Amino acid sequence: AQKITQTQPGMFVQEKEAVTLDCTYDTSDPSYGLFWYKQPSSGEMIFLIYQGSYDQQNATEGRYSLNFQKARKSANLVISASQLGDSAMYFCAMSAISSGSARQLTFGSGTQLTVLP
Amino acid sequence: EPEVTQTPSHQVTQMGQEVILRCVPISNHLYFYWYRQILGQKVEFLVSFYNNEISEKSEIFDDQFSVERPDGSNFTLKIRSTKLEDSAMYFCASSEAPGQHREGYFGPGTRLTVT
Repeated sequence: AQKITQTQPGMFVQEKEAVTLDCTYDTSDPSYGLFWYKQPSSGEMIFLIYQGSYDQQNATEGRYSLNFQKARKSANLVISASQLGDSAMYFCAMSAISSGSARQLTFGSGTQLTVLP
Repeated sequence: EPEVTQTPSHQVTQMGQEVILRCVPISNHLYFYWYRQILGQKVEFLVSFYNNEISEKSEIFDDQFSVERPDGSNFTLKIRSTKLEDSAMYFCASSEAPGQHREGYFGPGTRLTVT
């Protein structure tokens, strides 16, 4: 079984500042992927970034980077230079990649990020 | 750019009625999923589908739910007798390979309201 924990129900950040959203996970699968999604108030799920468990380097996508610490089972999302449009709910998720494992995404409870002007 | 589409975007139905939510996955994808998100809560897995059969399902996916791929393009979720607690956003997703949700092939969702 997989579990994702997001301990910050809400976060505030000043515009142009960086913010870190926490995510810890638990799994017995040897091979897995970690994902971050953004969900604005309109409701759609927007993919942000992906990290494979065997990737040697931390993933980056523009202003998003994933601070992957495998030993600690954490996959924190860092948003640099926050913008007002970053205000949204952010979900951490994971899926197994190993054969014979459940492959669906397991989501955390989310962090509501508010960017202040 | 390929995308998953879902119809309708919003459906209102009365308790006890049957609803069918429709999804068109990306054409070369083989794995299909339905997820549910009750308002203000996290996204929950319902069911995955591969090779014309269910490969995994959660405990939420009870006998009132069914999925079907009636033709080569559509993937449907049927709720036989809706309950008030079925009110939620339903997301369809697809992937080329199991677990390969890279780039997040989620549809825009169908908001189901049961009255």
